[in-house]
Amino acid sequence: GGIITQTPKFLIGQEGQKLTLKCQQNFNHDTMYWYRQDSGKGLRLIYYSITENDLQKGDLSEGYDASREKKSSFSLTVTSAQKNEMAVFLCARGLGGAETLYFGSGTRLTVL
Amino acid sequence: AQSVTQPDARVTVSEGASLQLRCKYSYSGTPYLFWYVQYQRQGLQLLLKYYSGDPVVQGVNGFEAEFSKSDSSFHLRKASVHWSDSAVYFCAASMESSGSWQLIFGSGTQLTVMP
Repeated sequence: GGIITQTPKFLIGQEGQKLTLKCQQNFNHDTMYWYRQDSGKGLRLIYYSITENDLQKGDLSEGYDASREKKSSFSLTVTSAQKNEMAVFLCARGLGGAETLYFGSGTRLTVL
Repeated sequence: AQSVTQPDARVTVSEGASLQLRCKYSYSGTPYLFWYVQYQRQGLQLLLKYYSGDPVVQGVNGFEAEFSKSDSSFHLRKASVHWSDSAVYFCAASMESSGSWQLIFGSGTQLTVMP
């Protein structure tokens, strides 16, 4: 099966800093997603992209930017890191619609 | 509003015992339903999914779930748990809103299996 790779696994930044998380997939799926996972709150959608150069906002997009310059990669930028957004960020790929999602192992963000 | 609720944040069972993890959704139609599992420091993996047909669906590692339209539920079950089943389990529902499908996750249930 395909692989979805998130880098870095751990990201430490300073409050107010701009930070970028990367996600790569080699399965040629069109749709990619960024979710934020906070303890006890499940997963909340930040951005998704149906194909390259497409960006769609999720419920939690404020404070984030995303970029999908190639079909295989989808990056997420925290525009100004805040202490209350320490969380795990999960990237996923899928065929779109109601299909199964395949997740990366996550990037754990810590803001000092 | 469309939502998915997992009422039990934590469940602890003994190895070999049976298990039920509860999930309820709020949606006027019939959603596509999923159970995902997250082992420590990993991403989510699909356990099983329901699209239509037989309301009882079988998944990996002996898990099954039953869809109930009347109860708006999709509870996960396993007859005999193993210590390796300790993980966080997420219920998710794909529901249509304004012409597009939204996948909504529950808040997760942390399962601990005691030896």
